Amino acid sequence: GAGVSQSPRYKVAKRGQDVALRCDPISGHVSLFWYQQALGQGPEFLTYFQNEAQLDKSGLPSDRFFAERPEGSVSTLKIQRTQQEDSAVYLCASSLGTSGRKETQYFGPGTRLLVL
Amino acid sequence: GESVGLHLPTLSVQEGDNSIINCAYSNSASDYFIWYKQESGKGPQFIIDIRSNMDKRQGQRVTVLLNKTVKHLSLQIAATQPGDSAVYFCAEKERSGSARQLTFGSGTQLTVLP
Repeated sequence: GAGVSQSPRYKVAKRGQDVALRCDPISGHVSLFWYQQALGQGPEFLTYFQNEAQLDKSGLPSDRFFAERPEGSVSTLKIQRTQQEDSAVYLCASSLGTSGRKETQYFGPGTRLLVL
Repeated sequence: GESVGLHLPTLSVQEGDNSIINCAYSNSASDYFIWYKQESGKGPQFIIDIRSNMDKRQGQRVTVLLNKTVKHLSLQIAATQPGDSAVYFCAEKERSGSARQLTFGSGTQLTVLP
C-alpha cells in the first residue's frame, strides 16, 4: 500500500518568507509526527498529533513554527519568516496507534528546505 | 541531558561479511528501541525493533541485541550486501504515559566494499 508522502520534496525560500510543508500519512494511521533532520544528524522531534489533536509541541524551536492536522489525516507544518538556521530536512512519520505493535513509526521521504 | 549515541560514525565491511553496528543509550526510562536505515535522499526505513522485556530479536538477515545492564543496543546484519550501504540510526522511546516521540542517535555510515 501507499506509504507516507510529503510535498514538496525540495523547497528553496528566501530568508523572511513563509513556507508550508505537507504530509499525507498512511491511511488510517492515528498518530502523526514531525521531525527535523540537520545534515549529518539524526532526526529530532518537533511535534505529535493523535488524530486532529496536537498533544505535544515541545520540540518546536520557536513560535515561528506551527503545525496543524485539522481533519485528523493530512498535516501541514508552517514556518513563518524563515531563517537560515531553519534549513534542514523535515520528516513526517505516522503510526497506526500508540501502543504495542501499532506504535511503529513509518517515515516519509522528507522535504529538504533551503533558506537563502 | 540523556541521549542516544553511537560508538562509531563509520563502518566499512566486505560484501558477504557480517556487520555489527553498536548504539549506547543513557535513558533508563526507555522501553522500546528501533533501528532505521536511511539511504541518501530518502526517509528513515524501519528495520527491526525490540522492547525492553527482550534481549534478542531476529528478522530477515538482521538481529537486534539489547543489553539493559550496560544500556547497549546492537544491530547485526548477516551476509552484508551492497544494498545495505546506508546510514543506520538507533532510536528509543520512553516508557511514559504521554511521550510518544522517538529520540535518535547521530547515525553510523555503513559502506559495503566489493
